[in-house]
Parts: sequence; structure tokens; C-alpha cells
Amino acid sequence: QVHLVQSGAEVKKPGASVKVSCKAIGYIFSNFAIHWVRQAPGQSLEWMGWINVGNGNTKYSQNFQGRLTFTRDTSASTVYMDLSSLRFEDTADYYCARYPTSWYDYWGQGALVTVSS
Amino acid sequence: QSALTQPRSVSGSPGQSVTISCTGTSSDVGAYNYVSWYQQHSGKAPKVMIYDVTERPSGVPDRFSGSKSDNTASLTISELQAEDEAEYYCCSYRGGDIVLFGGGTKLTVL
Repeated sequence: QVHLVQSGAEVKKPGASVKVSCKAIGYIFSNFAIHWVRQAPGQSLEWMGWINVGNGNTKYSQNFQGRLTFTRDTSASTVYMDLSSLRFEDTADYYCARYPTSWYDYWGQGALVTVSS
Repeated sequence: QSALTQPRSVSGSPGQSVTISCTGTSSDVGAYNYVSWYQQHSGKAPKVMIYDVTERPSGVPDRFSGSKSDNTASLTISELQAEDEAEYYCCSYRGGDIVLFGGGTKLTVL
């Protein structure tokens, strides 16, 4: 059975960085891309970018202006999302999602990141 | 990148049908048959209801259907049930390995 299990909630100060993990269970890790999507409180879904888990190639939304980094550890079947120079408006639920070809078939449970002074 | 345009809210009574629109451009919705729809209940992760414009994943009731005309995609939910009350998001591939989401539509079952 396929699952994406994310790390827990985080509270960070403005200017700090946060790293959220997403562990893939129940399928061949390198066969599917992983995308990251965030949702600020009461707001819509925002696409952040994705990582080709097989070769490590990445694509980032322009909205994050170099603050965002995706990496993966194939031995641990885990991908990581690192967001730096945190701002209050980065407070959101961060989701990882599996992307077979053109849609998201499995989602992580979400990780709440709160930016507070 | 601009989000896809959805109505903020729609409503319907049990047993009725509702349609939610999703308007993009000739660079995203109009260019690719890669539109998907997600249902999100409060506090939960999104769940796919329709992919590739018209395809329904296993386990999704056939009351849910999708279509597209030019730059606008639509999700129709027939025979509304109380459990359908949720937020719905459309999503489209935009080319250049970029994905867009709509602003979301709140469905209220009266």
C-alpha cells in the first residue's frame, strides 16, 4: 500500500530555514516524481515545484526566488524540501505528492510550518 | 504564474447536479489534456477525483465527471450528497514542467 509520510510540525523564526521530509512507502521510489504543494491558512493550493527522484533534477516555481531546494536520499526513499529566509507569509501546510504523469495520486499528510517571532 | 480561475462558491440540494468551472489560457488548460480535480475536506489532504480532463480513478463514484472546452475545464457532480460538501481545486499542466492550481471552489450542499 502506497503512503507518503511527512515529518512533523515546525515553528521557526523569520529569517530561519526549515526542512520537511517525505518518506515514500509501498512502491519503487525512483519510478515517480514528487511534487511539493503548500496551502496557507484559509487559502488555495500553491504549486512549489518538483524533483525527479530518479536523477535528482528539480524544477522550482518562480515565486520562491532561490529560497527553495529539493533533495532526495534514495537509500531512505525520502525526499526533502528546504525553504530558507522564512517570512511570516510562509506559514502554511506543506504537502508532498506523487505525480505519475499528469496528476497527483497520493499525498502526504501535510506538515504545518509556522513562522512566528 | 497566475492561478486558474474558479468560482468562489457553488451550492446545490441533495440529489441535484452542480458544475464547477476552471478557466485558464491557451498555454495551460487549452493546450493540454492534463486537467485534474481535487476534493479537500477541512483539515485533510486533497484527494483526486478526475484526471486527464475526463478520467476517474478507481474508487471515485461515477457521479463525478469532467470535461473541457477551449480554455475552460469543468467538474460536474450529479446526485449531490451531503458528503460531497468540500473545497474543490482544479489543476493543469502549463508546459515547461510547471503546474498550476485554481483558487478553489467551496461546494455547499443545502
